[in-house]
Amino acid sequence: DAKTTQPTSMDCAEGRAANLPCNHSTISGNEYVYWYRQIHSQGPQYIIHGLKNNETNEMASLIITEDRKSSTLILPHATLRDTAVYYCIVTAGTYKYIFGTGTRLKVLA
Amino acid sequence: KAGVTQTPRYLIKTRGQQVTLSCSPISGHRSVSWYQQTPGQGLQFLFEYFSETQRNKGNFPGRFSGRQFSNSRSEMNVSTLELGDSALYLCASSYGGGARYNEQFFGPGTRLTVL
Repeated sequence: DAKTTQPTSMDCAEGRAANLPCNHSTISGNEYVYWYRQIHSQGPQYIIHGLKNNETNEMASLIITEDRKSSTLILPHATLRDTAVYYCIVTAGTYKYIFGTGTRLKVLA
Repeated sequence: KAGVTQTPRYLIKTRGQQVTLSCSPISGHRSVSWYQQTPGQGLQFLFEYFSETQRNKGNFPGRFSGRQFSNSRSEMNVSTLELGDSALYLCASSYGGGARYNEQFFGPGTRLTVL
């Protein structure tokens, strides 16, 4: 079973920030939070990952709560091309990703 | 750098046949993982190879097997195909270090249809 819980779907207006939450209340101290997205029938694409500090890269920001039981992926200015299924995964490097059902994000024009 | 490549991209087989799928990782990556994606079960982990050794495997029957070569290229084999094996098979490569640097880069997948 997936170790994460995400909303099934979300909508976001183009140009606005998309905030995608993820609950991982059973996360262990050595587990990282990884985010991927999958655009229709393509292979998943790595977005960002973190342990406990907030992280930012050219694609997104990752905010992890202080107790590490949840996190939020932020796409600062969503575009139509960001429409995809977003997966939140926790892993301790066992090289076995367990994908949940993800959040289907729809960016609206 | 060239991305992860998978061949073939599409495949049609009949029940009872066997199939071999190929994956070439990004240059320098030593870890290759395989996943099966179906509408009903979503993305499921099959197995992971690092330096020609299987390090982890998912909950799939023994009909699903894989191997990795010294150049890190990997193949997976499915024997005695069943209708339920119809899926998108995805390969992902990474450096294979600990969780801190475990970004996986996925290929476009092989779409297998079993008739």
